[in-house]
Parts: sequence; structure tokens; C-alpha cells
Amino acid sequence: DTGVSQDPRHKITKRGQNVTFRCDPISEHNRLYWYRQTLGQGPEFLTYFQNEAQLEKSRLLSDRFSAERPKGSFSTLEIQRTEQGDSAMYLCASSFSPGDPNFGYTFGSGTRLTVV
Amino acid sequence: RKEVEQDPGPFNVPEGATVAFNCTYSNSASQSFFWYRQDCRKEPKLLMSVYSSGNEDGRFTAQLNRASQYISLLIRDSKLSDSATYLCVVKRGGATNKLIFGTGTLLAVQP
Repeated sequence: DTGVSQDPRHKITKRGQNVTFRCDPISEHNRLYWYRQTLGQGPEFLTYFQNEAQLEKSRLLSDRFSAERPKGSFSTLEIQRTEQGDSAMYLCASSFSPGDPNFGYTFGSGTRLTVV
Repeated sequence: RKEVEQDPGPFNVPEGATVAFNCTYSNSASQSFFWYRQDCRKEPKLLMSVYSSGNEDGRFTAQLNRASQYISLLIRDSKLSDSATYLCVVKRGGATNKLIFGTGTLLAVQP
């Protein structure tokens, strides 16, 4: 499979627990993005990496959220002390830069988080 | 006000109908434009890029009006399999090149 892989596909956790999601981008892609999508909304940008450097974080990404891409390959997104409002689909996407600006990203299947 | 605005629908149309979706964006520095399709509980998938000259892919035609900051998608001869949410997306220029999504328009094609 040469697409973007995300693990796990589903996660149910109790409020206050920590969770970690993993994303494996397409191997030659140097850019990696995390998005969050809630019901009835489009995906919202959370953060972006170029290689191992985290170059932008949305104000949506509170102090409880942290993302890493230690070797410029896979990335992890951790949420500490989860809250019910964190329930959402967390999407990872990758792209290559420089590249055709008219080329969109490839998204993974997402991790659906439910905080109970 | 959201940076990308779409009518959320739903649009309920019979098979074979022609349906049009519209979208406006507020950031004039937006560089590239797309329509993504998202099936229920699945990830968004690129449907087509949108160019100022207009572009067509089979039954799908996309238009961009940079002066009005307006994007459209026309679907002709709708199929049941076209039922999905259609997301209008703009890409900002600069270092991030991040995609900004609209809320999506839900299309339900009825038999």
C-alpha cells in the first residue's frame, strides 16, 4: 500500500486519558499535515511539518496537543487529558514540495476519536 | 465569517439531473483551488483542481472567477454514485501551502 496510513482507525477513550495517533505518509512526500474534522464541518488545519520541522500550528492546537515527526517520516499526534470536545476525525495528509501547486494532498483514512 | 463559504445543502436531485454547487472565498491571496469529494465516514479525495479558464472532467465542470472570488462545480447527468459531500477547497500560497476547506455541500441523488 503506497498511500497515507493512519493508526488506529478508531479510538474510544475515557475523558482525561491521553491518546496518541500515528500517520505514515507517502514515502517521498516531505510535507505532512494534520487536520481535524467534526460532524457537519470541513476539515480544519491543525499543524504542518516539512521534513522533521514543525513549521506551523493552528490556534486550534491547544497545549494539550502535541505533534512530532522525529525523522521526517512518520508523525504522531498526542492529545493529553482528553475532553469530550476532542471527539472528531483526525486526518493526516501528505504532499511533496516543491511540486505542482495545483496538486492537492493525499489524505489517510483518518482516526476517529470518541471521548466518553 | 469562514474563509471558504458553501451552502451545506442537502441537495436532493433525481438521477440524470444537473446540479450546481457554488463557493466563495475571502482571501484574495489564495493560490490554488480544488473540489474534494467525501463519502460518509471516509477521508476527502481530490475530485478536480479548478482553473480560471474552466476545466472539465467527464460529467464534472469546474469554474473559477478570481475577480469575484467564486468557485463552482457543475455535475451533469447525476448518478446514484455521485451522492457524497463536495468540499470546496482553497490553497494559500507562501510557505505552508495549507488547504482551507469549506463546510461541504451534501448531495443526495435519488433513484
